[in-house]
Amino acid sequence: DGGITQSPKYLFRKEGQNVTLSCEQNLNHDAMYWYRQDPGQGLRLIYYSQIVNDFQKGDIAEGYSVSREKKESFPLTVTSAQKNPTAFYLCASSKGQWGGTEAFFGQGTRLTVV
Amino acid sequence: SQQGEEDPQALSIQEGENATMNCSYKTSINNLQWYRQNSGRGLVHLILIRSNEREKHSGRLRVTLDTSKKSSSLLITASRAADTASYFCATDARTSGSRLTFGEGTQLTVNP
Repeated sequence: DGGITQSPKYLFRKEGQNVTLSCEQNLNHDAMYWYRQDPGQGLRLIYYSQIVNDFQKGDIAEGYSVSREKKESFPLTVTSAQKNPTAFYLCASSKGQWGGTEAFFGQGTRLTVV
Repeated sequence: SQQGEEDPQALSIQEGENATMNCSYKTSINNLQWYRQNSGRGLVHLILIRSNEREKHSGRLRVTLDTSKKSSSLLITASRAADTASYFCATDARTSGSRLTFGEGTQLTVNP
């Protein structure tokens, strides 16, 4: 089955640690995206990539980093510089440029700082 | 910055009733999409309407777009308990490099 997979589902981080969230898709989509969602709120764009080896900052990129070495993979690292990382993180992919086609979302990773 | 704003923030209805949610946005758009999110899950695409379209249907869903008022509405007819979820509009604004920007959503509860 084609789809987009995020792992892990739940992640706990100690203060000062970096953690990496995984996102893999087998839809052959060029574009991939990371969003952050806080309780009762909408989605805010962290980073996006429209092609391998290229990515762009979104609205809240500070304290996060990404890589796009393979078409199917777009991991997100939450660094110690992100002061309030507890949130629900969603990865998405789309066939082409944002907005013109539907986005497919993973099931999310819930990150908690302990 | 958030482009779309949904109204109401929360809506509670009885099974069988219709549910209407509204979305307003600030700048010119190419497309507008509606998504659904069950609690603690990812988003699922419902429907996309282009800026040159006024109305679109998909099953029990009806979406309208009024570009002069910069607003859209999502109507769910004959609602079911399984429709309970959060609904988000997402706009593809020409001024944001065609990035998809989400509103804060409407929480719909359908009571059996």
